[in-house]
Amino acid sequence: QVQLVQSGADVKKPGASVKVSCKASGYTFSSYYMHWVRQAPGQGLEWMGRINPRGDGTNYAQKFQGRITVTRDTPTSTVYMELHSLRTEDTAVYYCARDGNNWNFDSWGQGTLVTVSS
Amino acid sequence: QSALTQPASVSGSPGQSITISCTGTSSDVGAYNYVSWYQQHPGKAPKLMIFDVSNRPSGVSNRFSGSKSGNTASLTISGVQAEDEADYYCSSYTSSVTWVFGGGTKLTVL
Repeated sequence: QVQLVQSGADVKKPGASVKVSCKASGYTFSSYYMHWVRQAPGQGLEWMGRINPRGDGTNYAQKFQGRITVTRDTPTSTVYMELHSLRTEDTAVYYCARDGNNWNFDSWGQGTLVTVSS
Repeated sequence: QSALTQPASVSGSPGQSITISCTGTSSDVGAYNYVSWYQQHPGKAPKLMIFDVSNRPSGVSNRFSGSKSGNTASLTISGVQAEDEADYYCSSYTSSVTWVFGGGTKLTVL
């Protein structure tokens, strides 16, 4: 079965960067896009970006352009999301989510809490 | 890209039907049949309930159904059950090759 296992919680200071990993298993990694979605405490879901595992094609939400980098490592079936210049309002649970090939999110990681605090 | 508009909350008694609306624009909901719905219980990851406006993934109860008219999509839960109490989010693909979510709707089963 499809499994997306994310890295553990992290605490960062304002201005730092964070890199969250998402290791996929149970399917052909290169056949499905992967997205990143975040959820601030008590708030809704927010789409951040996606990557085409077959190449290096990425799309990012305008809000994060210039601050986000999504990459993949095919041999280990792992996708990474790096967010730079962190602010306290970036405190959130970050999810990776597989695209079900119909422009939806059919499988989700367990989430990674990133806390930004001085 | 502005978030899609959903009611903050809806409620219903067990056995009743409820509908959650999701209003976007002609650049997202109105332009494509790539609207999906997600259920999220507290402290859990979201779960796909409906994709492509009205299709259910394998394993999702047929009590859940979706539809769309113009710039507004809807999720209907027939015969609401206690286990359906959760937050629900709609999502749409957009003409900017991005995705947008609704603000979320809290379903309370009375």
